[in-house]
Amino acid sequence: SQKIEQNSEALNIQEGKTATLTCNYTNYSPAYLQWYRQDPGRGPVFLLLIRENEKEKRKERLKVTFDTTLKQSLFHITASQPADSATYLCAPLDNYGQNFVFGPGTRLSVLP
Amino acid sequence: DAGVIQSPRHEVTEMGQEVTLRCKPISGHDYLFWYRQTMMRGLELLIYFNNNVPIDDSGMPEDRFSAKMPNASFSTLKIQPSEPRDSAVYFCASRRPSGQGASEQFFGPGTRLTVL
Repeated sequence: SQKIEQNSEALNIQEGKTATLTCNYTNYSPAYLQWYRQDPGRGPVFLLLIRENEKEKRKERLKVTFDTTLKQSLFHITASQPADSATYLCAPLDNYGQNFVFGPGTRLSVLP
Repeated sequence: DAGVIQSPRHEVTEMGQEVTLRCKPISGHDYLFWYRQTMMRGLELLIYFNNNVPIDDSGMPEDRFSAKMPNASFSTLKIQPSEPRDSAVYFCASRRPSGQGASEQFFGPGTRLTVL
């Protein structure tokens, strides 16, 4: 069965540095990969989607890569700020945009 | 748009009682999802509907759980009888037709359920 892993349950970095979060999947070949942000006490909020034929996608300080050979997506936040502190979830999707399974999430803390 | 609306926001009940969670999706969205989130198991899909029809309910834990979507603007998740292990945050999410791509899900604020 498919498995989704996200690096370390928690990640602490200093303000201004680049945060890099990893999403690895096995027994699955997604056509899309979505990233969501979840703040305590709230539902996840969509951030970015990347397609399998896209190597990289950017949105402001966010950058996502998708390596189908490594079966991995990397999520980068440049010039991180304390307001970026949250849990980040990845969600691989199949060709039809289905298969609604989320990774366990990585809790990011940006320290001032 | 008000976004996905869930009620109640908090529910505390005693073991054995019936619990009904409610969800109003975003107008125009044709997918509706029910998720459960716990520290141990993360965010788990319970069931999802497309055009009011249940498509995949393989995530529903057992017969004590049931979900309905009588129309495009309302869905319920019912637990009967409830057990302490059902304590979790339950999220409803909706999604517009994906066309040729994969559109994002919009999540509600969740219902925090505590079963004593």
